Amino acid sequence: AQSVTQLGSHVSVSEGALVLLRCNYSSSVPPYLFWYVQYPNQGLQLLLKYTTGATLVKGINGFEAEFKKSETSFHLTKPSAHMSDAAEYFCAVSGGFNNDMRFGAGTRLTVKP
Amino acid sequence: NAGVTQTPKFRVLKTGQSMTLLCAQDMNHEYMYWYRQDPGMGLRLIHYSVGEGTTAKGEVPDGYNVSRLKKQNFLLGLESAAPSQTSVYFCASSYWGAEDTQYFGPGTRLTVL
Repeated sequence: AQSVTQLGSHVSVSEGALVLLRCNYSSSVPPYLFWYVQYPNQGLQLLLKYTTGATLVKGINGFEAEFKKSETSFHLTKPSAHMSDAAEYFCAVSGGFNNDMRFGAGTRLTVKP
Repeated sequence: NAGVTQTPKFRVLKTGQSMTLLCAQDMNHEYMYWYRQDPGMGLRLIHYSVGEGTTAKGEVPDGYNVSRLKKQNFLLGLESAAPSQTSVYFCASSYWGAEDTQYFGPGTRLTVL
């Protein structure tokens, strides 16, 4: 079975600082990896995803993530945090013919003025 | 284009009562999913469907049933609600399977007393 571990349930950064949210995965097949964002009282929306090809993936709102197979990681970064980035972020993995997507526990990002 | 909608938005049940949650999508997606979200646990897949008339179990299917009689609708039923089913329920849909982006509804907050 596939699984995801998100390191840090809460991350706090200052506005303008680097955002780094960590995600490690486990998968017996080539993984598909996703980052979703959830704003308060809303559903999830896709930030970015890796399926095949280029390992550095760019998403919406200036976020990007790099797939590192050797480290089984898919960390999410943004060079400069904005107040509007405050939300909960979920890393997820699926793969092969398995439609059972597995989500991490989530990381709540707080941005301080 | 409403995307994914869920009915109702909130519901309070007593232990042992039954109810059905309705999910509808207008994007002609083949795949539909039901998740539950609990604090500190991320999203967990309950059941999913790969097309009209099909259903399959996810990670936490016990105590729930589903039906997909029409392509655009996916129903989640609780036959005898338990306090452990207090959660926020999200429906999602996608055109393809494991590698495709899932589009989420706004969620249903269910409390079982």
